[in-house]
Amino acid sequence: AQSVTQPDIHITVSEGASLELRCNYSYGATPYLFWYVQSPGQGLQLLLKYFSGDTLVQGIKGFEAEFKRSQSSFNLRKPSVHWSDAAEYFCAVGTGTASKLTFGTGTRLQVTL
Amino acid sequence: EAGVAQSPRYKIIEKRQSVAFWCNPISGHATLYWYQQILGQGPKLLIQFQNNGVVDDSQLPKDRFSAERLKGVDSTLKIQPAKLEDSAVYLCASSPRKGTTDTQYFGPGTRLTVL
Repeated sequence: AQSVTQPDIHITVSEGASLELRCNYSYGATPYLFWYVQSPGQGLQLLLKYFSGDTLVQGIKGFEAEFKRSQSSFNLRKPSVHWSDAAEYFCAVGTGTASKLTFGTGTRLQVTL
Repeated sequence: EAGVAQSPRYKIIEKRQSVAFWCNPISGHATLYWYQQILGQGPKLLIQFQNNGVVDDSQLPKDRFSAERLKGVDSTLKIQPAKLEDSAVYLCASSPRKGTTDTQYFGPGTRLTVL
């Protein structure tokens, strides 16, 4: 069965600083990988996804992620964080059929001014 | 395009009571999902519908949880009787295509508190 590990429960960065959120997955085949963001009281919004092809994926709000098969990782990055980026970020892996997503436990991002 | 709608947004009940949640997916989306998100955890899939049929309900506690999607559009999730550990946010999501991993669009969720 697939699994996702987000090793950082909570990260604090200063506005304007760069950001990297870690995600490691476990899955026997080629994974489908996703990053979602959840603001307080809101549902999850898709930031970006990787299905195949270029391993560097661009998403909304200036986010990008890189798929590294050798490291089983799909880390999320942003070069300059804005205060509005403060939220909870979830990495997820999907299987090739049945559209079943398995989520990590999330990383809460705090942005200081 | 309207997003996934859920109601109510908040619900407080006592243990052993019953509760129901409603979800209206994005128009034309064939696949509908219910997730349970316990505080401090990621969402966990409870049940997946393809049109009005169940695709996966392996993690649904069937002794107390039930769900239906009678006309292949909106859906209800019911808990009867509720337990303290059912306190969570219940998220509904929908996706447009059949049988493939595709983008799931999430509603705002229903926050359930069981006292």
